[in-house]
Amino acid sequence: EIVLTQSPATLSVSPGERATLSCRASQSVSSNLAWYQQKPGQAPRLLIYGASTTATGIPARFSGSGSGTEFTLTISSLQSEDFAVYYCQQYNNWPPCSFGQGTKLEIK
Amino acid sequence: EVQLLESGGGLVQPGGSLRLSCAASGFTFSSYAMTWVRQAPGKGLEWVSTISASGGSTYYTDSVKGRFTISRDNSKNTLYLQMNSLRAEDTAVYYCAKLVRGLNDAFDIWGQGTVLTVSS
Repeated sequence: EIVLTQSPATLSVSPGERATLSCRASQSVSSNLAWYQQKPGQAPRLLIYGASTTATGIPARFSGSGSGTEFTLTISSLQSEDFAVYYCQQYNNWPPCSFGQGTKLEIK
Repeated sequence: EVQLLESGGGLVQPGGSLRLSCAASGFTFSSYAMTWVRQAPGKGLEWVSTISASGGSTYYTDSVKGRFTISRDNSKNTLYLQMNSLRAEDTAVYYCAKLVRGLNDAFDIWGQGTVLTVSS
């Protein structure tokens, strides 16, 4: 089973600044990686799939990059609504697909 | 509007059974694989099971194999998860989700979740 490790566990950033979240896979997942945003009491929302393809309706400030074992989610200019928990997911070697443990993005 | 609506959660005793349902609308349900993902209280996301668009192929995480059964009724646009021999560690919010395209893909549409509590 592929293990995804997200870093940092918590990231404190001021509104308007850039946030960079990382996800490392225990073995290559090619570009079969997605990013989700989850706010308290809500379902996850797909942001990025295929490592770099932005999902429908997602603002352009969200972007993804990477392939193989190293991936990054970048939020270019943080808005108040962006503070949430972010999960990466691999769907290359499945079953099972696996999720990272999450990065909590909080207001600095 | 594309929508998934789960139902069927509740409080069940250990060893009991429950069936979750997920009603789909706004898209051609029969064309997409579907999945169940759960989230234990205060924890991260855990994939549970996936079913192909036709229903002919099913996949499970090891911890639920032999206890849970995923199925779908394409005539009713509904996904199901039959859960037997429930354990305390099955306590979670259960989400149904639609896959973007194929079987190994991201999950682009999620329901609001239904809560399962397994406790005596």
